[in-house]
Amino acid sequence: GAVVSQHPSRVICKSGTSVKIECRSLDFQATTMFWYRQFPKKSLMLMATSNEGSKATYEQGVEKDKFLINHASLTLSTLTVTSAHPEDSSFYICSARDTPTSGRPYEQYFGPGTRLTVT
Amino acid sequence: GIQVEQSPPDLILQEGANSTLRCNFSDSVNNLQWFHQNPWGQLINLFYIPSGTKQNGRLSATTVATERYSLLYISSSQTTDSGVYFCAVGLHNTDKLIFGTGTRLQVFP
Repeated sequence: GAVVSQHPSRVICKSGTSVKIECRSLDFQATTMFWYRQFPKKSLMLMATSNEGSKATYEQGVEKDKFLINHASLTLSTLTVTSAHPEDSSFYICSARDTPTSGRPYEQYFGPGTRLTVT
Repeated sequence: GIQVEQSPPDLILQEGANSTLRCNFSDSVNNLQWFHQNPWGQLINLFYIPSGTKQNGRLSATTVATERYSLLYISSSQTTDSGVYFCAVGLHNTDKLIFGTGTRLQVFP
């Protein structure tokens, strides 16, 4: 149980275009999902918290107009990188938290990540 | 903000050796998780351990919340244990996880 998928796993796009990344909880409902960014040989940095049916909460320094997050259902959150530039190239990882009644209210489960390359 | 430091930053072992990875955090937490990030980037949940001790096969973990540290023990290491190990903590009254600096483990045959 507790499986999170991401699509696509790898994407290459041209500078100036937009890219959408999907994050799905496959076998549980996730009222809260999270988006992280990871640079090579570095740790994960939280970008934003996505709550179903409401606006995302962005961490300090993260441009909300560049990284659009939508959490339209209890199993799907999307991250859209708008007007991508080479410096947006990175490994993007999502996670999902099960409902508070699961017995592990704060445990997060992670997707396999999406490697974005902007040329 | 909370600081989460892991040690050692790098660890090289021969197959069969045992190791202890440490995670220190600077504030009280309501969540602590250990992850293994494999070479393809997937984070694999090892332990959900805000306090106490747990064991799963060759791996075990102990969190002493009052002293703000957690330990991950790997016994009889195998080459498939290679990768980066992260601890991550959650603060009270927040859903967020703050990741540690990571320990890069290489196990050679």
